[in-house]
Amino acid sequence: QQQVKQSPQSLIVQKGGISIINCAYENTAFDYFPWYQQFPGKGPALLIAIRPDVSEKKEGRFTISFNKSAKQFSLHIMDSQPGDSATYFCAASAGGTSYGKLTFGQGTILTVHP
Amino acid sequence: DGGITQSPKYLFRKEGQNVTLSCEQNLNHDAMYWYRQDPGQGLRLIYYSQIVNDFQKGDIAEGYSVSREKKESFPLTVTSAQKNPTAFYLCASSPTWQGYEQYFGPGTRLTVT
Repeated sequence: QQQVKQSPQSLIVQKGGISIINCAYENTAFDYFPWYQQFPGKGPALLIAIRPDVSEKKEGRFTISFNKSAKQFSLHIMDSQPGDSATYFCAASAGGTSYGKLTFGQGTILTVHP
Repeated sequence: DGGITQSPKYLFRKEGQNVTLSCEQNLNHDAMYWYRQDPGQGLRLIYYSQIVNDFQKGDIAEGYSVSREKKESFPLTVTSAQKNPTAFYLCASSPTWQGYEQYFGPGTRLTVT
């Protein structure tokens, strides 16, 4: 019940296209859903995060869509650029005794071709 | 220059030796975390600390130990009891004890042979 399932494992997009990465969860106690971007050999960087009280959050070219009833959330990268090529991780955490315990998806390797 | 530092970037050890990985933050963050990342996998939580002098086990704590004697420091010891210690180790910190926003350091790649 603690799992977060991420898809696809890898994604190839042309420059200017839209990249979409999906995550699904089972634990209804999750109340915070961040996305991280990781370049090879580096630590993950927090991109954008959402709480279940909103269905969408946008920051620049990055948008999170959240569907509470389906227990799914997704990251959309608009106008994808070669510099966006990285591994993306979704994650989730709950409050209570689980404060701060992030559960990560398996990651999606995004390649944006010029 | 604020941030999270991890040292060293690469670490090599022989099997059977304990090794300590350093994590320091000057962000005045309350909470600190240690994660392990294996090739092609997501991050898994080893230990976390929400306040000085207190820490809790994460999902894969066996074979690891930590201390939190100062707010800015959270060292991780990989003991000889850890069966598969070779991995990329990531330290993170969060402004509040609830840990909703976690910011990661650059990581230490540990290789044990």
